[in-house]
Amino acid sequence: NAGVTQTPKFQVLKTGQSMTLQCAQDMNHEYMSWYRQDPGMGLRLIHYSVGAGITDQGEVPNGYNVSRSTTEDFPLRLLSAAPSQTSVYFCASSYGTEKNIQYFGAGTRLSVL
Amino acid sequence: GQQLNQSPQSMFIQEGEDVSMNCTSSSIFNTWLWYKQDPGEGPVLLIALYKAGELTSNGRLTAQFGITRKDSFLNISASIPSDVGIYFCAGHQADKIIFGKGTRLHILP
Repeated sequence: NAGVTQTPKFQVLKTGQSMTLQCAQDMNHEYMSWYRQDPGMGLRLIHYSVGAGITDQGEVPNGYNVSRSTTEDFPLRLLSAAPSQTSVYFCASSYGTEKNIQYFGAGTRLSVL
Repeated sequence: GQQLNQSPQSMFIQEGEDVSMNCTSSSIFNTWLWYKQDPGEGPVLLIALYKAGELTSNGRLTAQFGITRKDSFLNISASIPSDVGIYFCAGHQADKIIFGKGTRLHILP
């Protein structure tokens, strides 16, 4: 019973490097989302998807790209990492938005030097 | 964007004390959620509230959905050491789920 799986757990990048944070869920959830968590800022929504082939921007989308080619996977791409993107990233999924429990992954801790 | 104002930012209490925290917004939310986050882990849902005025309990936790739909509170009774962590309120608005900044609960020995 894997739930929401995020990889990697930790990553260090140099400024300007690119990488993809992976998120996969095995619960057949339609809704998936990415958050970043910074000290004192809570969880801020980066991008979300209400189903395969559909994505939309959250509160802080700049510098990040997403795609949703399958129901199971929702990768988050950093095309050119910046120190301001140093954060803990959480992926979450649910059957829908209203009246549905959102399950979170364990997070990816990213440092950009 | 929409904001949820969560207070207090942090709390230091003695074991056994009751805890109260709240969340307010200038906008109406259709659902209020309360999550807890332990160190190094993702948030876990504690209580979900779906109707204005609703009062729901989960063990020692009680939460209420405000009548105006712009606020919610969470109470923890008789706190124990494992209650330590960060508590987040969150609200559903259309397709987005917005989180407050969290209340960090510390329990003094």
